[in-house]
Amino acid sequence: AQSVAQPEDQVNVAEGNPLTVKCTYSVSGNPYLFWYVQYPNRGLQFLLKYITGDNLVKGSYGFEAEFNKSQTSFHLKKPSALVSDSALYFCAVRAGPNNAGNMLTFGGGTRLMVKP
Amino acid sequence: NAGVMQNPRHLVRRRGQEARLRCSPMKGHSHVYWYRQLPEEGLKFMVYLQKENIIDESGMPKERFSAEFPKEGPSILRIQQVVRGDSAAYFCASSPRSVRDSANEQFFGPGTRLTVL
Repeated sequence: AQSVAQPEDQVNVAEGNPLTVKCTYSVSGNPYLFWYVQYPNRGLQFLLKYITGDNLVKGSYGFEAEFNKSQTSFHLKKPSALVSDSALYFCAVRAGPNNAGNMLTFGGGTRLMVKP
Repeated sequence: NAGVMQNPRHLVRRRGQEARLRCSPMKGHSHVYWYRQLPEEGLKFMVYLQKENIIDESGMPKERFSAEFPKEGPSILRIQQVVRGDSAAYFCASSPRSVRDSANEQFFGPGTRLTVL
């Protein structure tokens, strides 16, 4: 079975400061890892993914994430937070490649609050 | 290219009624997934469908819930005899699929928020 843990329900950061949203995972075989963001009353928007290759993945809106196989982590980062980054962030995993189900398993979400 | 479409966006039902949620995948996507999100929780997988086939329904409750993705038209998630515990946001996602593109992300619709009175 695959699982995702986001240990922080909420992360508070001041605008302009770097931010980190933590994610650890458990999956059989090589993982495919994803970050999504959800704004109030909206669907999920894709931010970035790790499939293979460089451990540092760059995505939308200046976000990046670092895959660490030994720590089974995929933390989301941004060098300088914006107030408009305030939203709910979800980490997701699925086993790959050739996973017939293609099912994503989501973490419980982390609310990011960026204060002016 | 229009994104994943879901309707209605909001649905209110009384206990015992039926709820029908519709999802039109992105153009060119033949794989549809339904997820449920309870308040302040993550998304939980319900079912994965291809055209006319249910591939994985391991997350679907055994009773009252059903899903289809006909050859023509949108995917439908149907909840019969709704109860208050069914109140949630239901999200549909779609993806293209081939062996080569098996790492494609899923694209999510805006969701249908079901409220059971």
